[in-house]
Amino acid sequence: QKEVEQNSGPLSVPEGAIASLNCTYSDRGSQSFFWYRQYSGKSPELIMFIYSNGDKEDGRFTAQLNKASQYVSLLIRDSQPSDSATYLCAVEDGGFKTIFGAGTRLFVKA
Amino acid sequence: NAGVMQNPRHLVRRRGQEARLRCSPMKGHSHVYWYRQLPEEGLKFMVYLQKENIIDESGMPKERFSAEFPKEGPSILRIQQVVRGDSAAYFCASSPAGQAGNTIYFGEGSWLTVV
Repeated sequence: QKEVEQNSGPLSVPEGAIASLNCTYSDRGSQSFFWYRQYSGKSPELIMFIYSNGDKEDGRFTAQLNKASQYVSLLIRDSQPSDSATYLCAVEDGGFKTIFGAGTRLFVKA
Repeated sequence: NAGVMQNPRHLVRRRGQEARLRCSPMKGHSHVYWYRQLPEEGLKFMVYLQKENIIDESGMPKERFSAEFPKEGPSILRIQQVVRGDSAAYFCASSPAGQAGNTIYFGEGSWLTVV
């Protein structure tokens, strides 16, 4: 059973701080990794994707991938109240099927 | 530039009725995925289809659920004889092709309530 694990949270950070979200996955054959943001009652929205070990930066977001440790993370710098949402880690399982973690709820306090 | 279109957005069915959810992929996308999200839970993969072909249905319940993606028209997720436990948000996503590294994009979801 291929799995993607995330801490459900909630993770609470003050406005302007760095929010760090973590994810582990079980399938060593996974090649593609994604972070989605989902507001309550809305559909998931793609924030970042990463394929190679290391860091990938896009604005206030940085995705980090460590394939040896089977670990993916998302850093949100200068967190804003509008970043309050559930963040879903997703992994492509090699069969072109994307598996999602249960999500981490993030609260950014103004 | 239309995204993934799902309808209906909200659907109420009585126990024992049938629910049909439709999904039109983004323009240029030939692969469709259906996910189910129960309240306060994550997205669970149900089925992956391309035109006229089911690629992976490992997440579909064995009974009452079926999916198709005909040559013409939208993909349809069909739930027969609905029960209260089927109440959930059903999200459709699409991608250009089934290859590694493809990003999937979601529709706005169909919320099914069984009363």
